[in-house]
Amino acid sequence: AQKVTQAQTEISVVEKEDVTLDCVYETRDTTYYLFWYKQPPSGELVFLIRRNSFDEQNEISGRYSWNFQKSTSSFNFTITASQVVDSAVYFCALSEAKYGNKLVFGAGTILRVKS
Amino acid sequence: GAGVSQTPSNKVTEKGKYVELRCDPISGHTALYWYRQSLGQGPEFLIYFQGTGAADDSGLPNDRFFAVRPEGSVSTLKIQRTERGDSAVYLCASSLIAANYNEQFFGPGTRLTVL
Repeated sequence: AQKVTQAQTEISVVEKEDVTLDCVYETRDTTYYLFWYKQPPSGELVFLIRRNSFDEQNEISGRYSWNFQKSTSSFNFTITASQVVDSAVYFCALSEAKYGNKLVFGAGTILRVKS
Repeated sequence: GAGVSQTPSNKVTEKGKYVELRCDPISGHTALYWYRQSLGQGPEFLIYFQGTGAADDSGLPNDRFFAVRPEGSVSTLKIQRTERGDSAVYLCASSLIAANYNEQFFGPGTRLTVL
């Protein structure tokens, strides 16, 4: 069965702190994709990154970085030097090849960045 | 370019009534997805279309829910005999093709309230 767990319900940090959002997934498929989406207060989900199961290279994009470890079934997201504009709900999602194209989302982590 | 649009943005209805929610995908996107997001939860998959046909409707909760995409572009999600438990934000997304490595672009959602 597909499952995505985001154990951190809410995180509060002060601006310029680094913060890591955890994501653990369960799958029996060998081919799958992992995603992170951001949902700001406006409500519209914004795509951040996609990773396939065969590529464990970490990725950095500006202040954002992602750590994918198949050994622990985790796909964690780190924001360096957080800013108030990073405040949002962040969702990790899984798509398995054999279950078609639907995304299975975690419950999300609310990130509050205070100035 | 224009993103995914959804109308109405808000819909309030009474228990037992029929509602239609509309989604206009990004031009040229052949795949269209419907999700439902309850308060404090991640989006849950309902149905997706490749072209005009429903490729996977396994997430529709019961036969009161139905969706169409007659011309392969705009889609309508239809809910009959609404119940209070149907209250949620209904999200639509589209992608270039129906492949699980494609990122899905989300609309702003329709907030449905059933009184």
